[in-house]
Amino acid sequence: QSALAQPASVSGSPGQSITISCTGTSNDVGGYDYVSWYQQHPGKAPKLIIYDVNSRPSGISNRFSGSKSGNTASLTISGLQAEDGAIYHCSSYTGSATVLFGGGTKLTVL
Amino acid sequence: QVQLQESGPQLVKPSETLSLTCTVSGGSINNYYWNWVRQPPGKGLEWIGHIYHTGSTNYSPSLKNRVTISIDASRTQFSLRLTSVTAADTAVYFCASKWELDSWGQGAQVTVSS
Repeated sequence: QSALAQPASVSGSPGQSITISCTGTSNDVGGYDYVSWYQQHPGKAPKLIIYDVNSRPSGISNRFSGSKSGNTASLTISGLQAEDGAIYHCSSYTGSATVLFGGGTKLTVL
Repeated sequence: QVQLQESGPQLVKPSETLSLTCTVSGGSINNYYWNWVRQPPGKGLEWIGHIYHTGSTNYSPSLKNRVTISIDASRTQFSLRLTSVTAADTAVYFCASKWELDSWGQGAQVTVSS
């Protein structure tokens, strides 16, 4: 199993919107609506921000949204804030009943 | 949400077995999947495997020959054993709850070195 493909880095200015992609195959992202996204600040544990492609856990801002088209899932953050600067990881359920992560994307808020 | 806490040795010698325990508090261990995930220095997350409260397991194909995850529901704990470790197994090891990994422990740094 190869890791899901994410861009290494993205950047945006405060108030702008950014989108991070997560590309897999029909055996993971494309085949199931079980894509999750996590936010990780340096030295901290990851935090779930999106699950089941586009659902937000309680307490997560509606500035975070998820979507999927074919084998690619996307995380959009609108109204960028300084505290959004972090590493974002995607994950997907696979046909082998396992979980596959992406390589992570570093978001820099300019 | 439950709280999770990893515990175990921080230093393991090459070729030996890495053992970690995750203690779950603030909720039941029943009816959910319980995961182990690791993060090598400066790298992304790697899913190791998970266990259902019944004891059913799934493991990462790349690690399945060396990994065992077990559960002790009476003590609300689940454990990870990774055999024949090398320097490549040096990482922060996290435990996390449910399929969607909605709650995470703070992580345990494990270094493989002689």
